[in-house]
Amino acid sequence: DGGITQSPKYLFRKEGQNVTLSCEQNLNHDAMYWYRQDPGQGLRLIYYSQIVNDFQKGDIAEGYSVSREKKESFPLTVTSAQKNPTAFYLCASSIFGSQDTQYFGPGTRLTVL
Amino acid sequence: RKEVEQDPGPFNVPEGATVAFNCTYSNSASQSFFWYRQDCRKEPKLLMSVYSSGNEDGRFTAQLNRASQYISLLIRDSKLSDSATYLCVVSDAGNNRKLIWGLGTSLAVNP
Repeated sequence: DGGITQSPKYLFRKEGQNVTLSCEQNLNHDAMYWYRQDPGQGLRLIYYSQIVNDFQKGDIAEGYSVSREKKESFPLTVTSAQKNPTAFYLCASSIFGSQDTQYFGPGTRLTVL
Repeated sequence: RKEVEQDPGPFNVPEGATVAFNCTYSNSASQSFFWYRQDCRKEPKLLMSVYSSGNEDGRFTAQLNRASQYISLLIRDSKLSDSATYLCVVSDAGNNRKLIWGLGTSLAVNP
């Protein structure tokens, strides 16, 4: 089955700790994205990557970091510099050169205590 | 003006009803348009892309009006399972890799 997996589904961390969210896809998609969703707000783009070893900041990159060492993987680190890290984090991917249709993983709910 | 604007609802309709959602966008140069569906506490899922000529998929019809910069979604013969939030999505005209997401319209189909 092709798809996007994110783990874990729920994550709890203490304030001040860095945490890494996993995102893996076996769709052979070139582009991958990280979004954050908060109640009452739309999806906001954190980072995106169009190709291996390259990525760009989205609209709310502060306090986050990413890497893209493999086509299939795009992990997101939420650092202690992120002021309000508690949110629903969504990873997506798309075929390069498509009409930008993005397909999502099931998401990770991060709660910082 | 917001880049992508939707009526948040909620729309409460009985089973079998026809319901329509509109969405307006601000950038006339946007090229790609989509409707996604999001169930409570789940990820968004693509419902349909929206083409200039309009397109239909079963009970769902999407239309694009470039002159007035809005897209619409029509759902006929509503089912209980159609209850969800419908997200209007528009490509960022300056960057084809980025999408701009509306806040969504909430639909509740009642028995």
